[in-house]
Parts: sequence; C-alpha cells; structure tokens
Amino acid sequence: AQSVSQHNHHVILSEAASLELGCNYSYGGTVNLFWYVQYPGQHLQLLLKYFSGDPLVKGIKGFEAEFIKSKFSFNLRKPSVQWSDTAEYFCAVRPINDYKLSFGAGTTVTVRA
Amino acid sequence: EPEVTQTPSHQVTQMGQEVILRCVPISNHLYFYWYRQILGQKVEFLVSFYNNEISEKSEIFDDQFSVERPDGSNFTLKIRSTKLEDSAMYFCASSEVSQSFNYGYTFGSGTRLTVV
Repeated sequence: AQSVSQHNHHVILSEAASLELGCNYSYGGTVNLFWYVQYPGQHLQLLLKYFSGDPLVKGIKGFEAEFIKSKFSFNLRKPSVQWSDTAEYFCAVRPINDYKLSFGAGTTVTVRA
Repeated sequence: EPEVTQTPSHQVTQMGQEVILRCVPISNHLYFYWYRQILGQKVEFLVSFYNNEISEKSEIFDDQFSVERPDGSNFTLKIRSTKLEDSAMYFCASSEVSQSFNYGYTFGSGTRLTVV
C-alpha cells in the first residue's frame, strides 16, 4: 500500500524564519500532489497542488513546493513565515488511477512572534 | 468560490446511538468522499461515492457506516451505533470528474463528533 511520510511532527520557529516541510511518498506511478493547511479550529484548505508541468509550484500565502520525481518528494517551502502561519500542514497524494487522497501524518508548525 | 457545506458543526451523542452527518457537495461535482481525523492523528479516508454507489471504502468503513445521496444535493454519512472510538472530526469532500485524471478536492469545514 502506498504511504505518505512527513518528516517533521512539530516545527517551532520565529517570525521571518524560513520554513521547509518534507514530504515523501511511496507510490511509483503518476500522482497528483497536494499540500493542505489546517488553522486551529478550521477546516482543511488547499495551499497548492501539482498535477504536471513545472515541478516548482506556487500556492497561496507565499508558499511554494517542489516536486522531485526521482526522490518521490514534494517539499513545501516559505521563505519568511509569519505568526499567522501557525497551523497544521498536511501533504496528500493521489495516484491518478485512484479516487482517494492519502494523507501524511501532518506537521504542526508553531511560529513565535 | 463554491463551498462544501457540512452540518452540524459539532454533534455530541451517546454511545450506541445513531448519527447522521450531512454534507452538501459542490453542485457540479460528481465524486464525493468522507474522511475522518481522530484528534492528534492524520486524516484517514473512509469512503468514496460516485454515480449513486460506493466506489471505494477503507477498512474503517465497516457495517456500522453507510452513505447515501438521498435527494440529489445532500450526501450523508450514517453511523448506526456509535462507539467511543468514533469520536473524530469528519470531513466531507467533493471533486469533479476530469478526463485528464487530474483533479483536486474541496473539503467542507467538518463535523466534530463526540461520543460519550
């Protein structure tokens, strides 16, 4: 069965620091890739997605992610975080011949003012 | 922007009772899903639904669970006899059908189910 691994369980950083969250998946075929954010008490919101084309995708709120096919990775980055980026971040993968998303365990990001 | 609407936002029920969680997917979407997130754990797939039938379900989705699209707009998840371990946030999602196989999902705001 395929799996999605997020390397960090909890990341704590200061405002203006750079953020990088790792995500690896185990599926060998063609996939759609997603990063979702969940602010405290709120629902899942799509940050960005990759279907095909340029492996560097830009999302909302200044986030970007890079798909490296050879490494089965889709890492999320933000050059300078804000306090409002405090949230839980989920990587999700869908093989294109499947209906369902598989989520990683999530990374809690705490940004200190 | 179109939304997936879920009601209620929070449901408290006694163990053994039946609950129905409701969702209104985006109107032109044809695939519907339920996911759940137990507190502190990852989001888990429960079931997908297309063309008025279940297309896939996970091991979690046992005989206690059922889904229905009763009236062409609502998509419901029923838990027949709730257990304490059913306490979780339940998310509904919908997606469009795409010939290119590339499509995203829109999630609802979730229903927090607490079984006491």
